[in-house]
Amino acid sequence: EAQVTQNPRYLITVTGKKLTVTCSQNMNHEYMSWYRQDPGLGLRQIYYSMNVEVTDKGDVPEGYKVSRKEKRNFPLILESPSPNQTSLYFCASSLKTGPYNEQFFGPGTRLTVL
Amino acid sequence: AQSVTQLGSHVSVSEGALVLLRCNYSSSVPPYLFWYVQYPNQGLQLLLKYTSAATLVKGINGFEAEFKKSETSFHLTKPSAHMSDAAEYFCAVSDDGTSYDKVIFGPGTSLSVIP
Repeated sequence: EAQVTQNPRYLITVTGKKLTVTCSQNMNHEYMSWYRQDPGLGLRQIYYSMNVEVTDKGDVPEGYKVSRKEKRNFPLILESPSPNQTSLYFCASSLKTGPYNEQFFGPGTRLTVL
Repeated sequence: AQSVTQLGSHVSVSEGALVLLRCNYSSSVPPYLFWYVQYPNQGLQLLLKYTSAATLVKGINGFEAEFKKSETSFHLTKPSAHMSDAAEYFCAVSDDGTSYDKVIFGPGTSLSVIP
């Protein structure tokens, strides 16, 4: 089944404790992206990757890191989480970059930072 | 840069009634437009997209949207609401001002369907 998977789905952690949220897609997509969803703000892009070893900042990159060593994986790293990073996070992928391409979303990771 | 507004953060309709979710965008050039739906505890999935082929776009689950350039709108409609339509709906527009064709999402509209 073609899908984007994220782990964990739920995570409660404390300020300053490094964490990684994994994202994997099995559709051989070139483009991958991370978003955070907050009430009233919709989805805001954190980082994106157009292909292996090519990553760049989105609209809200502060406090986050990413890597793209393999085409299928795009982990999101929070080196020192803070309470303002409490949010719902989505990973997405699309076949190629381009304004008309449909994005496929993972199920989301709900993160709480205490 | 592009922006997307969705009038009404929450819309309630009765089962069987018309669904109308509003979306307006800002753009100086014809954009690509999308509607995504998010069911509870799930990721977003594409409902439909406008790519300039036709102004009336039909999507999944009986939804459709009409692109009106003069109004810079892309409202989503469904003739008869079903309980299963209760979800969050996001309008999105391609950003023509970037090097990688970024997509800008609106704030979302939560649709409730009353039995």
